[in-house]
Amino acid sequence: EAQVTQNPRYLITVTGKKLTVTCSQNMNHEYMSWYRQDPGLGLRQIYYSMNVEVTDKGDVPEGYKVSRKEKRNFPLILESPSPNQTSLYFCASSPPDGYEQYFGPGTRLTVT
Amino acid sequence: AQTVTQSQPEMSVQEAETVTLSCTYDTSESNYYLFWYKQPPSRQMILVIRQEAYKQQNATENRFSVNFQKAAKSFSLKISDSQLGDTAMYFCAFISYNTDKLIFGTGTRLQVFP
Repeated sequence: EAQVTQNPRYLITVTGKKLTVTCSQNMNHEYMSWYRQDPGLGLRQIYYSMNVEVTDKGDVPEGYKVSRKEKRNFPLILESPSPNQTSLYFCASSPPDGYEQYFGPGTRLTVT
Repeated sequence: AQTVTQSQPEMSVQEAETVTLSCTYDTSESNYYLFWYKQPPSRQMILVIRQEAYKQQNATENRFSVNFQKAAKSFSLKISDSQLGDTAMYFCAFISYNTDKLIFGTGTRLQVFP
């Protein structure tokens, strides 16, 4: 089944404790992206990657890191999480010519 | 800067009725895609319908159709014969051929009542 998977689905952590949210897709898509969703703000792009070893900042990259060492994986790293990073996070992937993005199930992160 | 505006934070409709969700966008680009995504309580983002800007014909997917007015930069979603399962948050989104960024509106929460 073609899908985007994210882990974990739920995470509660404390300020400053490094964490990684994994994202994997099995559709051989070149483009991958991370978004955060906050009430009243919709979804905002954090980082995106056009291909392996190519990443770029979205609208809200501060406090986040990403890496793209393999085509299928695009982890999101929070080196020192803060409470303002409490949010719902989505990973998405897209083929190069379709522009339609396929979303993962979301990760609910709470930073206390 | 490209922006997407959804001016209706919440809407409600009775089952079997028709409802229209509004979306406007701002861009200087001429080649782009527009989308409507549905987010039910499960939080999964589900693509409802998409429109390519160069196509004049409005996209249709079963009970869902759009009214795409390129000159007015308007992209509304019409849901016909509303069903309880249509209850969800709906997001309008835009992406141009020249950028790699999908820009979302703030969403419209739709409640379908029996």
